[in-house]
Amino acid sequence: AQSVAQPEDQVNVAEGNPLTVKCTYSVSGNPYLFWYVQYPNRGLQFLLKYITGDNLVKGSYGFEAEFNKSQTSFHLKKPSALVSDSALYFCAVSGNTGGFKTIFGAGTRLFVKA
Amino acid sequence: DSGVTQTPKHLITATGQRVTLRCSPRSGDLSVYWYQQSLDQGLQFLIQYYNGEERAKGNILERFSAQQFPDLHSELNLSSLELGDSALYFCASGTEKFNNEQFFGPGTRLTVL
Repeated sequence: AQSVAQPEDQVNVAEGNPLTVKCTYSVSGNPYLFWYVQYPNRGLQFLLKYITGDNLVKGSYGFEAEFNKSQTSFHLKKPSALVSDSALYFCAVSGNTGGFKTIFGAGTRLFVKA
Repeated sequence: DSGVTQTPKHLITATGQRVTLRCSPRSGDLSVYWYQQSLDQGLQFLIQYYNGEERAKGNILERFSAQQFPDLHSELNLSSLELGDSALYFCASGTEKFNNEQFFGPGTRLTVL
């Protein structure tokens, strides 16, 4: 069965510092991995995806994510955090089994302090 | 703005009632997904339609049903409502049948009293 874990409920980082939001997954076969962001009272917004190819994926708003097959991880990163990055971040996985459903993690709340 | 629209934005109703939530996908998108977001359950996938046909089913209760119409808009019907059904309901759309990024609407906040 597919699953995705976001081990941190909350991540705190100072503005200007690098940030990492962690995600690990479990899926049979090749994974399709996604990151989404949710701002208060808004729907989720797509940030980036990994399907195949380069392990470092670049997305919107300066975010990037690194796919690590051996560690089954897909951590979200940004070199320099902004206060406006404060939001709820969701990792998601889908694959060629499990009915092709997309499974979302529980979410990680990111606080960027000025 | 994702291009996905949902109506209504807010809905307040009583236990035992039935409601219908509506979603219009982005222009050109054939897939529509429905999700329930609550504080204790997180984001739960309910159901997906692709070009009018049910494509995948998640944790959707028997009291809930959905359909996608020929013009590709979708409706989620919730009946015999219970207090625990209070949540944000999101619709998302995508171009492909599976494994693609999804574009979310602003959601419908349902409150069951």
